Amino acid sequence: DAGVIQSPRHEVTEMGQEVTLRCKPISGHNSLFWYRQTMMRGLELLIYFNNNVPIDDSGMPEDRFSAKMPNASFSTLKIQPSEPRDSAVYFCASSPTAGWHEQYFGPGTRLTVT
Amino acid sequence: DQQVKQNSPSLSVQEGRISILNCDYTNSMFDYFLWYKKYPAEGPTFLISISSIKDKNEDGRFTVFLNKSAKHLSLHIVPSQPGDSAVYFCAARDLNTGNQFYFGTGTSLTVIP
Repeated sequence: DAGVIQSPRHEVTEMGQEVTLRCKPISGHNSLFWYRQTMMRGLELLIYFNNNVPIDDSGMPEDRFSAKMPNASFSTLKIQPSEPRDSAVYFCASSPTAGWHEQYFGPGTRLTVT
Repeated sequence: DQQVKQNSPSLSVQEGRISILNCDYTNSMFDYFLWYKKYPAEGPTFLISISSIKDKNEDGRFTVFLNKSAKHLSLHIVPSQPGDSAVYFCAARDLNTGNQFYFGTGTSLTVIP
């Protein structure tokens, strides 16, 4: 099993540009989570999906952030327009159940907005 | 507002000794706690968990202790090994908020050979 796959691994972009982060969850998992990691706040949940449906997006910081899950094997997190304060590592995780007992994380995307 | 706090950003321990990583929380409604381990350039991996109905859970060299009255969680690693060097995150679940997990900021453990 390849695990959770995220792309790109690194992204450097200029302020104002659109950024799209991609995630492929583990096959058969029906819950998917997007997190943001910063030094100050640690790992913050942005949004999670269950069976491709967004369940809780209260962690999405503002309207510049949007996430989609068009099918069970793919999700995107988009930031438009990006700002320097969005610089962080973004993790995608998936879980076989909605019970949250164990989440499998991808390697993360390190985003730098200049 | 951080509901889960790891007040020690880093910890160094000699190989073979005990590593104790601490975590404090503020929400008395948290009912389930986990520890994750993270190596550089990798995502966090699940390590060990504990339910609020227990005060201890052990898995090999790893033991998690829960003190509900103090709202305190700790992870003990005995004996510590160089391969344990990583960042450790604690996380807690609030059943009242749709099973969302809240993570701490992490503690970087270095085990010195």
